[in-house]
Amino acid sequence: DTEVTQTPKHLVMGMTNKKSLKCEQHMGHRAMYWYKQKAKKPPELMFVYSYEKLSINESVPSRFSPECPNSSLLNLHLHALQPEDSALYLCASSKRGLAGLAAGELFFGEGSRLTVL
Amino acid sequence: TQLLEQSPQFLSIQEGENLTVYCNSSSVFSSLQWYRQEPGEGPVLLVTVVTGGEVKKLKRLTFQFGDARKDSSLHITAAQTGDTGLYLCAGESGNTGKLIFGQGTTLQVKP
Repeated sequence: DTEVTQTPKHLVMGMTNKKSLKCEQHMGHRAMYWYKQKAKKPPELMFVYSYEKLSINESVPSRFSPECPNSSLLNLHLHALQPEDSALYLCASSKRGLAGLAAGELFFGEGSRLTVL
Repeated sequence: TQLLEQSPQFLSIQEGENLTVYCNSSSVFSSLQWYRQEPGEGPVLLVTVVTGGEVKKLKRLTFQFGDARKDSSLHITAAQTGDTGLYLCAGESGNTGKLIFGQGTTLQVKP
């Protein structure tokens, strides 16, 4: 069983909807990540939070808005998405949380499968 | 820009066969990780290799890190249907806080 929990597992939304993806970990990890993954492709990094502060934004469109309320929680707020945003969204955490240090080993959640109609 | 090239991208074999997946780069990595991802799941870490020339074994899986720490391989002996999935290598990119993923190898093991 994964120690990173993501909800919901599946989400269908229209282009005018506002929804959120949630991620939780209780391993005491100080770095948390959002990745986007298309079928049979590697995960693409979107955001990195280190010690609850946004440390990396990979030029992600503003219709994706991350939030880290505390060290265990990570949200991804979605608004005015496009059909091409349909993908598996993966949350991950790692022990290393200091800015400037490489990622270390990632623990992934099972993902949230998003479909934008 | 650091890149990791995985080969082959797709592999379909019969149960019981052996296979090797390669992960190559022109850059040096401080460590390389291998993940396996089953359909509908997130990637799961299999192993991390850190020392040049290192060999690690995980049951029927053997992982090797090149002497120059620029490449790695994954060898599976007597593949089983449960080995089916997407295999990803990933390298730590210096001190940028980013993990560089290879393009992945989709493995299908047929009964």
